Amino acid sequence: EDKVVQSPLSLVVHEGDTVTLNCSYEVTNFRSLLWYKQEKKAPTFLFMLTSSGIEKKSGRLSSILDKKELFSILNITATQTGDSAVYLCAVANLNNNDMRFGAGTRLTVKP
Amino acid sequence: NAGVTQTPKFRILKIGQSMTLQCAQDMNHNYMYWYRQDPGMGLKLIYYSVGAGITDKGEVPNGYNVSRSTTEDFPLRLELAAPSQTSVYFCATLRGEGGLTLYGYTFGSGTRLTVV
Repeated sequence: EDKVVQSPLSLVVHEGDTVTLNCSYEVTNFRSLLWYKQEKKAPTFLFMLTSSGIEKKSGRLSSILDKKELFSILNITATQTGDSAVYLCAVANLNNNDMRFGAGTRLTVKP
Repeated sequence: NAGVTQTPKFRILKIGQSMTLQCAQDMNHNYMYWYRQDPGMGLKLIYYSVGAGITDKGEVPNGYNVSRSTTEDFPLRLELAAPSQTSVYFCATLRGEGGLTLYGYTFGSGTRLTVV
């Protein structure tokens, strides 16, 4: 059965800290891995990764995929209180573009 | 620029009642999805559609039905509501093959449903 496992489930840091969020997966017919940020309502798209070893970067956020180890990380440097959210990892398969989501990591950034 | 519109935003149902959650999009996206999100959990796929007239089950379809008569609308029907269906429901769309590559899904703002 396909599954996506995120760790840690929750994390509390102070502003300025650097955090690493983890996502491991077991999915047949892997297509891509996506990271989303969910604050109060709907998830918003951060990154999509399809190839191993190629870092995607957007400001203080970056992510990389290891297709051999079936693993991805999301890094956030110099965290700010506005980074507080649930970060969701999802894996899309080739068959129908639907995604299997992990349970998420709840990040709290304290001033 | 409406994007994906879900209605209602909140609803309380009694056990055994029925209701339809509405999802409408104005982006001409082919793919549409219904997910539910329970507290502290990720999203689980209920049903999806790859185009008008085509629907298929996802991971947790029991207790739900869908239809896709137009590209724009993808309603989710709950028959005989049960407390286990208390959740937040998200509708999402995807433009097509290239859409996943560039943008990921576009999500609606969600419907919070409580069954008592």
